[in-house]
Amino acid sequence: AQSVTQLGSHVSVSEGALVLLRCNYSSSVPPYLFWYVQYPNQGLQLLLKYTTGATLVKGINGFEAEFKKSETSFHLTKPSAHMSDAAEYFCAVSGGQGAQKLVFGQGTRLTINP
Amino acid sequence: DGGITQSPKYLFRKEGQNVTLSCEQNLNHDAMYWYRQDPGQGLRLIYYSQIVNDFQKGDIAEGYSVSREKKESFPLTVTSAQKNPTAFYLCASSIEGQGGNQPQHFGDGTRLSIL
Repeated sequence: AQSVTQLGSHVSVSEGALVLLRCNYSSSVPPYLFWYVQYPNQGLQLLLKYTTGATLVKGINGFEAEFKKSETSFHLTKPSAHMSDAAEYFCAVSGGQGAQKLVFGQGTRLTINP
Repeated sequence: DGGITQSPKYLFRKEGQNVTLSCEQNLNHDAMYWYRQDPGQGLRLIYYSQIVNDFQKGDIAEGYSVSREKKESFPLTVTSAQKNPTAFYLCASSIEGQGGNQPQHFGDGTRLSIL
């Protein structure tokens, strides 16, 4: 079975500071990994995905993530936080049996301090 | 613009009542999904469908039912057997990929509350 652990249910950073949201996964097969963002009372929007190829993946809004197989991690980063980045972020994994099914982490709420 | 439309945005259920949440997509996607979101628990899969007239239970299907009579539509019924239905419900769709390499696209959700 696949699983995702997001370290830290709440992360707070100052505007202009580095954003680092941590995601570790468990998968018995090569995983496909996704980061989604959710603004209040809205659905989820895809930030970026890793399927195959380059392990450093760039997404929308200046976010990027690096797939590290040896560490089973897929951490999300952004060099300089903006107030508009305040939202909830979800890491998800798919692959293997029941491949179309996404397994989500519990989410990390990002707060940006002015 | 293509996308997923969920309605209504807010829904209230009385005791012993079944309610149906609508999900329509015009993305020509084969696969559709229903998730339940509770605070601090992420998203949990209720049902999914990879093709018309076929669907499978997810992790928390008890107290819910679905149908997939058309490619564009995947309604979810919350039955009276679901004792704790208060939650935010999200519908998603995706194209069929190889081993799950395609992202899912989400609607804006329906918030269900008990009267």
